[in-house]
Amino acid sequence: DQQVKQNSPSLSVQEGRISILNCDYTNSMFDYFLWYKKYPAEGPTFLISISSIKDKNEDGRFTVFLNKSAKHLSLHIVPSQPGDSAVYFCAASAVLGNEKLTFGTGTRLTIIP
Amino acid sequence: NAGVTQTPKFRILKIGQSMTLQCTQDMNHNYMYWYRQDPGMGLKLIYYSVGAGITDKGEVPNGYNVSRSTTEDFPLRLELAAPSQTSVYFCASSPQRYEQYFGPGTRLTVT
Repeated sequence: DQQVKQNSPSLSVQEGRISILNCDYTNSMFDYFLWYKKYPAEGPTFLISISSIKDKNEDGRFTVFLNKSAKHLSLHIVPSQPGDSAVYFCAASAVLGNEKLTFGTGTRLTIIP
Repeated sequence: NAGVTQTPKFRILKIGQSMTLQCTQDMNHNYMYWYRQDPGMGLKLIYYSVGAGITDKGEVPNGYNVSRSTTEDFPLRLELAAPSQTSVYFCASSPQRYEQYFGPGTRLTVT
């Protein structure tokens, strides 16, 4: 049972345009969500997060939106840069068992120069 | 401050062999985790620890064992390696709930 789903395995975006990565979840107990970025041959690195009490969190070029009623979150990158090419993982944490994260399968973002 | 370090970076095992994947963090984090990532898949939690002496199973613990005798170290033991354990293994640590810091990974092949 995949509780966190990233339905787009890959996405290509022109440099300078907006990249939108999507994530859906099924567990209504999830109350904290994170995005991680992963380059080849490296471990994932934390990018941005959002609590369920908010619907938006912004950090520079990165904004995460949360729609609790739809159980959907998205990561917006504006403007997209070549260095943003990586695999992006969505992760979620539940109120109970909150020391653990559940990860999605990832979306490979390619920024085209 | 090295963060989370993992050794070895690469390893090839024969079926039935055993090995220990090492993980050390120098951030004094209480929480530590082991994940595996198979091609095209997300990270699956193998084991985790909320402090020295305390460990618990994650989503895919079969075939693995862990121990946590110190805050810094969280080794993962593979007994009787099987081809299904071919994967990339990541160790992570966290000071509290939420953000986890990952090591660079160990790529393991079992043939």
